[in-house]
Amino acid sequence: DQQVKQNSPSLSVQEGRISILNCDYTNSMFDYFLWYKKYPAEGPTFLISISSIKDKNEDGRFTVFLNKSAKHLSLHIVPSQPGDSAVYFCAATLTGNQFYFGTGTSLTVIP
Amino acid sequence: DGGITQSPKYLFRKEGQNVTLSCEQNLNHDAMYWYRQDPGQGLRLIYYSQIVNDFQKGDIAEGYSVSREKKESFPLTVTSAQKNPTAFYLCASSFGGNQPQHFGDGTRLSIL
Repeated sequence: DQQVKQNSPSLSVQEGRISILNCDYTNSMFDYFLWYKKYPAEGPTFLISISSIKDKNEDGRFTVFLNKSAKHLSLHIVPSQPGDSAVYFCAATLTGNQFYFGTGTSLTVIP
Repeated sequence: DGGITQSPKYLFRKEGQNVTLSCEQNLNHDAMYWYRQDPGQGLRLIYYSQIVNDFQKGDIAEGYSVSREKKESFPLTVTSAQKNPTAFYLCASSFGGNQPQHFGDGTRLSIL
């Protein structure tokens, strides 16, 4: 039973435009959410996180939005760069012991 | 440079054999984790450990075993009881609680 879902397997965006990656979750008790970026044959790299007490967190070109009522999380990348092309995973946790990951969205930024 | 090292990068196993995947970290992290990734699926938790000499099963622990004798090391054994062991295995560590995990580069296990 997938507690964290990423319904878009892939996304293509022009360089310089905004990339929006989406994530839905089912457990309203999750209190910490993260985004990871993964290149082929490498492990995921932490990108940005947000606590459930916030609805927005920003770090440079990356912003994560949390809508608790909709159980929805999104990652905005502005402006998108070719080096952003990778697979992006969202993850959520309740206690910090078990983290639940989505299936990933493959982002392609077209030069 | 601090980080997590997984070895080997590629591993082949004959049916009926146990095989052990290595994971070492020098980040002084308390918590360590093992995940499995299959094509088209997210990362699924096999085992995790919050402190030395203690570990808990994740969602898919059957056919796997772990040990945590040292803070730096968290080896995973894929036993012959694991019926479908071919996958990409990722080890991670963190300071525990709501802290981001740092991942190794993974081990790809294949069955001969």
